[in-house]
Amino acid sequence: AQSVTQLDSQVPVFEEAPVELRCNYSSSVSVYLFWYVQYPNQGLQLLLKYLSGSTLVKGINGFEAEFNKSQTSFHLRKPSVHISDTAEYFCAVSGPLRGKLIFGQGTELSVKP
Amino acid sequence: DVKVTQSSRYLVKRTGEKVFLECVQDMDHENMFWYRQDPGLGLRLIYFSYDVKMKEKGDIPEGYSVSREKKERFSLILESASTNQTSMYLCASSLSLAPGTPGYNEQFFGPGTRLTVL
Repeated sequence: AQSVTQLDSQVPVFEEAPVELRCNYSSSVSVYLFWYVQYPNQGLQLLLKYLSGSTLVKGINGFEAEFNKSQTSFHLRKPSVHISDTAEYFCAVSGPLRGKLIFGQGTELSVKP
Repeated sequence: DVKVTQSSRYLVKRTGEKVFLECVQDMDHENMFWYRQDPGLGLRLIYFSYDVKMKEKGDIPEGYSVSREKKERFSLILESASTNQTSMYLCASSLSLAPGTPGYNEQFFGPGTRLTVL
């Protein structure tokens, strides 16, 4: 069975500081990995995804993530955050079978001035 | 742009009422999903559908049912609402693609319906 663990429920950080949101997954089959962002009072939107190829994936708004198969991780990073990055971030995993995503518990990123 | 719309942003119902949550997508997606979102629990899948009139249970189907009579519309039904169903409900849709192809499993979400059951 597949599962996702987001290791931090809340991450407070100052504006312009770097940030890393951690995600570990568990799967016995080939995986596809996603990061979604949810701004206050909105639905989720895709930040980035890993399907195959380069293990360093770049997404929107300056975010990137690295797929590490040996450590079963897919951590999200940004070198310098803005106030507007304040949101909840979800890591998700899917396998080769139809359609379903398994989501982590979410990490609330709070960027302070 | 894919657009997924949900019939209400906020809804207040009473215990025992039958509640309908509607979701419509405009990009001819085959797959549609209903999730509930609760603090600290992330998103949990209630039901999903791969095609018209097809439905499959997700991880927490108890107390819910669904209907998909048309490809673009996926309805979530609470037969008899209870206070423990107070939550944020999110609908999503995606294309049915081969594993690994661009766009595979990329789900597009609606804005959510915050349901309060009193």
